[in-house]
Amino acid sequence: AQSVTQLGSHVSVSEGALVLLRCNYSSSVPPYLFWYVQYPNQGLQLLLKYTTGATLVKGINGFEAEFKKSETSFHLTKPSAHMSDAAEYFCAVRLNTGNQFYFGTGTSLTVIP
Amino acid sequence: DGGITQSPKYLFRKEGQNVTLSCEQNLNHDAMYWYRQDPGQGLRLIYYSQIVNDFQKGDIAEGYSVSREKKESFPLTVTSAQKNPTAFYLCASSPVRGYEQYFGPGTRLTVT
Repeated sequence: AQSVTQLGSHVSVSEGALVLLRCNYSSSVPPYLFWYVQYPNQGLQLLLKYTTGATLVKGINGFEAEFKKSETSFHLTKPSAHMSDAAEYFCAVRLNTGNQFYFGTGTSLTVIP
Repeated sequence: DGGITQSPKYLFRKEGQNVTLSCEQNLNHDAMYWYRQDPGQGLRLIYYSQIVNDFQKGDIAEGYSVSREKKESFPLTVTSAQKNPTAFYLCASSPVRGYEQYFGPGTRLTVT
C-alpha cells in the first residue's frame, strides 16, 4: 500500500523566514505528487503538482516544491513566510494508474509575527 | 462558476439517526470521493466512484453508504451504525484523464 509521510505535524516559522515542509512517499514508481493547503473549516486547495517533466514546480502564493526521485521526496518551500500562510498543508500522491489518492497526515504551519 | 458544493456547512443530529450529506459538482468529472477528516489524522477515504452506478469502498466504509445515480451527484449517508460520526466530511472530484482532485468546502457533522 502507498504511504505518504509528512515529517513534523506542527511547524513554526517567523514571518519572513524560510518555510520548509517535508514529504516522503513510498512508491517505487514515480507517482503524481501534490501539495494542498487547508484553512480552518474549509476544503483543500491545490498549491502545486508534479506530473512529469521539470522536477522543480512552482505553485500559487510563492510556494514551490522539488521532486527528488532518489530520495522519494517532494518537499514544499517558500522563501519568505507571510502571516497568511498559516494553515494546514497536505502532501498527496496518486499513482499513474488508477484514481486513488493517498494523503499525508498534514502539517500545521504557524507563522510568528 | 464550476465547482463542488456541499450542503449544509454545519449539520447536527441526534445519536441513532441516519443523515445524508450532499455533494454536487458541475465540473463534468467522472470520479468522485468522500473523505473523513479528524484532527491529527489527515484525510481518510470513505468511498469513491469512478462512474455512474458504480462505487468502491475506501479504508473506512463501515457505517457509511453512498449512491451515484447521476454524474453530478454523490451523496453520503452516515448511518446509525457509524460509531463515531462526528467529523469534518470532504467531497472531492477528479477527471479520469486529469491529475489532481478538486475539493468541496466540507460539511461539519456533529452527533450528540
